[in-house]
Amino acid sequence: GAVVSQHPSRVICKSGTSVKIECRSLDFQATTMFWYRQFPKQSLMLMATSNEGSKATYEQGVEKDKFLINHASLTLSTLTVTSAHPEDSSFYICSARVKDYSTFGPGTRLTVT
Amino acid sequence: AQKVTQAQTEISVVEKEDVTLDCVYETRDTTYYLFWYKQPPSGELVFLIRRNSFDEQNEISGRYSWNFQKSTSSFNFTITASQVVDSAVYFCARAGISGGSNYKLTFGKGTLLTVNP
Repeated sequence: GAVVSQHPSRVICKSGTSVKIECRSLDFQATTMFWYRQFPKQSLMLMATSNEGSKATYEQGVEKDKFLINHASLTLSTLTVTSAHPEDSSFYICSARVKDYSTFGPGTRLTVT
Repeated sequence: AQKVTQAQTEISVVEKEDVTLDCVYETRDTTYYLFWYKQPPSGELVFLIRRNSFDEQNEISGRYSWNFQKSTSSFNFTITASQVVDSAVYFCARAGISGGSNYKLTFGKGTLLTVNP
């Protein structure tokens, strides 16, 4: 149980375009989801906390207008990278809170050309 | 910020050697969780263990063992008789439980373990 999926697993987009990443809890409801970013050979850094039915909470230094988060249902949170640039190329991982722990999705590798 | 420090950036061992990955953490939370994750080249995080701050018992799972020392804020991970398949990046992480911590994880920078045949 407690499986989280992400779609797409890989995406390549052109600079200036927007890309949406989906995070789904498959067999449970998740009122809270988290979005992390991992640059090559670096650690995972929390970007934002996504709460169902309310605005996301962003970590310091993360541009909320660039990284739009929508958590419209108890099983789906989306991260939209707007006007993507090459420096946004990264591995984006979501996690969903399950009772007293979090379970991670498989990640989405974004490459902006 | 409440940091998690993994001082070892890279470790290289020969198969069958034992290896210990160090983790030291900072926390202001009275209750918290500590974690270890494995990240193979595919990128997916593989959950290894979660330890509650109240439980200082050491744990063994097959070739893996964990030593939690609250007095020194350390949560070290040992792999005995290492195998090539153990090669990966290993992350230590903590999450606060109380107040607004909300189970957000803070990760260390990771240790790249290479096990050579």
